[in-house]
Amino acid sequence: TQLLEQSPQFLSIQEGENLTVYCNSSSVFSSLQWYRQEPGEGPVLLVTVVTGGEVKKLKRLTFQFGDARKDSSLHITAAQPGDAGLYLCAGARGLVYAGGTSYGKLTFGQGTILTVHP
Amino acid sequence: NAGVTQTPKFRVLKTGQSMTLLCAQDMNHEYMYWYRQDPGMGLRLIHYSVGEGTTAKGEVPDGYNVSRLKKQNFLLGLESAAPSQTSVYFCASTHGYEQYFGPGTRLTVT
Repeated sequence: TQLLEQSPQFLSIQEGENLTVYCNSSSVFSSLQWYRQEPGEGPVLLVTVVTGGEVKKLKRLTFQFGDARKDSSLHITAAQPGDAGLYLCAGARGLVYAGGTSYGKLTFGQGTILTVHP
Repeated sequence: NAGVTQTPKFRVLKTGQSMTLLCAQDMNHEYMYWYRQDPGMGLRLIHYSVGEGTTAKGEVPDGYNVSRLKKQNFLLGLESAAPSQTSVYFCASTHGYEQYFGPGTRLTVT
């Protein structure tokens, strides 16, 4: 059972266009992360949102965590070819490790493959 | 500081063969994870470890075993490989909110 539904699965746009990727769940998460993965490499963290309603901006990328902490969105403004890749959302529900140095398990969405045409 | 490294990078096995994937991290992280990535499935957790000498099952543990004899290493074993285990395997370790991933191992079972 996929706890995090990510949409769309594929996105092909022209350079300069805007786009939004959605990540939805019926479960509450203590935090929600967005990763980007390039071919032949492992995912790299873009952002973590923790508070319901939180909005974070990273240059042309805007991330939002839903008020109920069940959903999130990633919006890219004026997409560039360098933005292409696989975008993954991941929710954390585990407890903070007693030592305070790490977080619990992550549940990943299916991913969104973004292609940006010059 | 190499971060998370994985060996080998590629491997082809015949059905029934065994192998071990090695993950090493030099960031002194307590938590380590093994995932598999299949098209349209995202990353699915196989096993994880919350410290040296401990392991626990994840979402898809069947057909795999793990060991964490040293804090910096996390081994994933396939005792009798099956074609359904053809996948890309990623190891990760955590510090705070962020999971750091290795470059992956592409495994094909024929």
